Amino acid sequence: AQSVAQPEDQVNVAEGNPLTVKCTYSVSGNPYLFWYVQYPNRGLQFLLKYITGDNLVKGSYGFEAEFNKSQTSFHLKKPSALVSDSALYFCAVTTSGTYKYIFGTGTRLKVLA
Amino acid sequence: EPEVTQTPSHQVTQMGQEVILRCVPISNHLYFYWYRQILGQKVEFLVSFYNNEISEKSEIFDDQFSVERPDGSNFTLKIRSTKLEDSAMYFCASSGTGGANHQPQHFGDGTRLSIL
Repeated sequence: AQSVAQPEDQVNVAEGNPLTVKCTYSVSGNPYLFWYVQYPNRGLQFLLKYITGDNLVKGSYGFEAEFNKSQTSFHLKKPSALVSDSALYFCAVTTSGTYKYIFGTGTRLKVLA
Repeated sequence: EPEVTQTPSHQVTQMGQEVILRCVPISNHLYFYWYRQILGQKVEFLVSFYNNEISEKSEIFDDQFSVERPDGSNFTLKIRSTKLEDSAMYFCASSGTGGANHQPQHFGDGTRLSIL
């Protein structure tokens, strides 16, 4: 069965510092991985995806993520956090033969000024 | 940038009543989805819809649920006889492709359904 783990409920980081939000996954078959961000009272906004190719993928708002097959991880990173990055971040996985995304429980990112 | 729009933003319904949640997917998208998020819990897949039929559904999507694309623009989720445990945020999503191409799903802002 497919699953996603986001081990941290909350991550605090100072503005200007690098941030990492962790995600590990479990699928049978090749994973297709996504990061979404949710602001209060809004839907999920797509940030970036990994389907195939380069392990480092770049996305919106300066975010990037690194796919690591051996560690089954897809951590979200940003070199310099902004206060406006404070939000709820979701990792999702899917694979061939299915349309559904399996989401993690979400990580609340708080960037402190 | 095109968006998925959902109406209403908040729906309050008595237990046992029928409710219809409405969505307008992005206009050139072909795949449509419903997810729900119970307060404080993870986002869960309900159903996917392509070519006027359900392509996949979860165990949550039982006989009380149905989906329809009544015209060229709307995509609806109907709950026939609501239960207290149906209270959740319901998200509609759409994507240009499905399958191996896996273009990302684009989500609406959700409808908060409250069952009394």
